[in-house]
Amino acid sequence: SAVISQKPSRDICQRGTSLTIQCQVDSQVTMMFWYRQQPGQSLTLIATANQGSEATYESGFVIDKFPISRPNLTFSTLTVSNLSPEDSSIYLCSVRGTGAANEKLFFGSGTQLSVL
Amino acid sequence: GDSVTQMEGPVTLSEEAFLTINCTYTATGYPSLFWYVQYPGEGLQLLLKATKADDKGSNKGFEATYRKETTSFHLEKGSVQVSDSAVYFCALTGGSGNTGKLIFGQGTTLQVKP
Repeated sequence: SAVISQKPSRDICQRGTSLTIQCQVDSQVTMMFWYRQQPGQSLTLIATANQGSEATYESGFVIDKFPISRPNLTFSTLTVSNLSPEDSSIYLCSVRGTGAANEKLFFGSGTQLSVL
Repeated sequence: GDSVTQMEGPVTLSEEAFLTINCTYTATGYPSLFWYVQYPGEGLQLLLKATKADDKGSNKGFEATYRKETTSFHLEKGSVQVSDSAVYFCALTGGSGNTGKLIFGQGTTLQVKP
């Protein structure tokens, strides 16, 4: 299994500012995923972050809005830039398990972002 | 592209009632199928999974069978408890063209009343 520490757990931000979310894993993982869960909706993958290379973004998400860092195999950050009320969501990082659990995703507890 | 469709909620049941939450999927190749659960105030966690056709995943009294012929993975429980109140997500991964990320359904909220 993997234990994921994500912070902050929640934040309230002003329009036009940015928020950086941190994700720390207790083991080395190749791929980390960033998801968004908008109110009352399902999870949508934002991007996949591999260590040592640029993140791969899903359709509808761009690096200028959601820059991601992946400096090592246990850590990643997601920044939500130029915030607007439409960015109010829960943001989650996740990692794949290893070995027999390699198809299982482990999730952080999420960051609830409210934009005023 | 790959997709997952769940029955709309909320689903409200009395304790000890039978639960079914429908899930169907569209995918090329041979995806693995999952049910994740999100309890109030907690993070998402895996409930059960099935990796090939006719597999049955089970956990905590919940079951789901991978039906390739109907592209379905319906979640069932014979007798729900108040503590089962949560949001349930059906998901898939591993289909052709899928790099291992999860594709989620829209989630179904279950509320169990005493």
